[in-house]
Amino acid sequence: DAGVIQSPRHEVTEMGQEVTLRCKPISGHDYLFWYRQTMMRGLELLIYFNNNVPIDDSGMPEDRFSAKMPNASFSTLKIQPSEPRDSAVYFCASSPDNDEKLFFGSGTQLSVL
Amino acid sequence: AQSVTQLDSQVPVFEEAPVELRCNYSSSVSVYLFWYVQYPNQGLQLLLKYLSGSTLVKGINGFEAEFNKSQTSFHLRKPSVHISDTAEYFCAVVGSNDYKLSFGAGTTVTVRA
Repeated sequence: DAGVIQSPRHEVTEMGQEVTLRCKPISGHDYLFWYRQTMMRGLELLIYFNNNVPIDDSGMPEDRFSAKMPNASFSTLKIQPSEPRDSAVYFCASSPDNDEKLFFGSGTQLSVL
Repeated sequence: AQSVTQLDSQVPVFEEAPVELRCNYSSSVSVYLFWYVQYPNQGLQLLLKYLSGSTLVKGINGFEAEFNKSQTSFHLRKPSVHISDTAEYFCAVVGSNDYKLSFGAGTTVTVRA
């Protein structure tokens, strides 16, 4: 398996633009997580899904952030409109059912100018 | 809810010297504990985890960690580091009744020749 695949690897955009980050989890993994990593806050859980259903989105910072998982093999994290303070590395991770081991993607480095 | 404190933000160390990265957690329930490593420009990888059983856990690349319930600690150690161990190290905790990992702020390990 190719592991968790995220795209793009790098995204540079201007303030106010819409940004969409994509994630393909490992096949057969029932859990999918979106994390944000910043120097100030470290790693923060934004949202996680179980069997494509959002379970806990309490980490989503504001209404500008939204995440979807239309099927078991694809998820998106959208920021609209983007702001400079959204600049961070966004990680997607997946996990098999009843297993605490997370498999992380390589992350998307987002820069909002 | 659980939380993690990594006591050292930066740890410089010479090659072939030992290293210890300190991690303390707080939780009102029993926990599972993890150490993740992030090499430059890469995603997170699992180094080792403690779920139950022996309190001394051995992981990849010669790392080990000891779970100490009375001290609420899970310190990571390696007896002899290599230049390639230069990376960011994250301690993480999840409650036995939860699925949300809480990460520490990370410890940057820089190994010098």
